[in-house]
Amino acid sequence: DVKVTQSSRYLVKRTGEKVFLECVQDMDHENMFWYRQDPGLGLRLIYFSYDVKMKEKGDIPEGYSVSREKKERFSLILESASTNQTSMYLCASRWGENTGELFFGEGSRLTVL
Amino acid sequence: AQSVTQLDSHVSVSEGTPVLLRCNYSSSYSPSLFWYVQHPNKGLQLLLKYTSAATLVKGINGFEAEFKKSETSFHLTKPSAHMSDAAEYFCVVSDSSGGGADGLTFGKGTHLIIQP
Repeated sequence: DVKVTQSSRYLVKRTGEKVFLECVQDMDHENMFWYRQDPGLGLRLIYFSYDVKMKEKGDIPEGYSVSREKKERFSLILESASTNQTSMYLCASRWGENTGELFFGEGSRLTVL
Repeated sequence: AQSVTQLDSHVSVSEGTPVLLRCNYSSSYSPSLFWYVQHPNKGLQLLLKYTSAATLVKGINGFEAEFKKSETSFHLTKPSAHMSDAAEYFCVVSDSSGGGADGLTFGKGTHLIIQP
């Protein structure tokens, strides 16, 4: 079965802490994504990676960075967490074309105090 | 440029009655269209997709959607709602003109409530 695994389902962090969200896919997909989901706003793209070590900024990259050293792993980093980064974070992957199905992880709910 | 509008933020139906979730899109090119479902505390799962083949698309769990170019719509329907259909539903458009870096534009979601 296809699987996208987000290692942390629930995290509570303090303002100013560095936060790592990890995502692993087992489908050899080229593309990987980090989205943020907030009530009433739907999904917003933070960063997109189309290949190893390649990345593109999405709609809301400020305050975030990413790392993709291996094809199967895509990490989202909050260098200095702030309360307005409290949210649900969703990782997804797909084959290379825009018409392909996205496969999502179950999400990481981050609370920043 | 592309955009997606989900016309209802919440839809409530009784179990056993039909479901209609509305989606309108705009696209400069021939779009691909998707519906995804998200159950509570879960990631999104593909229900169905349209990619310029048959205009009536059948998906999982008895859902289907019809692509109507003249109305720029891609509404999701199901003849008979089940309690397990209670979830958030997202309409997504993709075309070669872009959207975001991922080539996609997500609607803001419709919350489907099933009354017993």
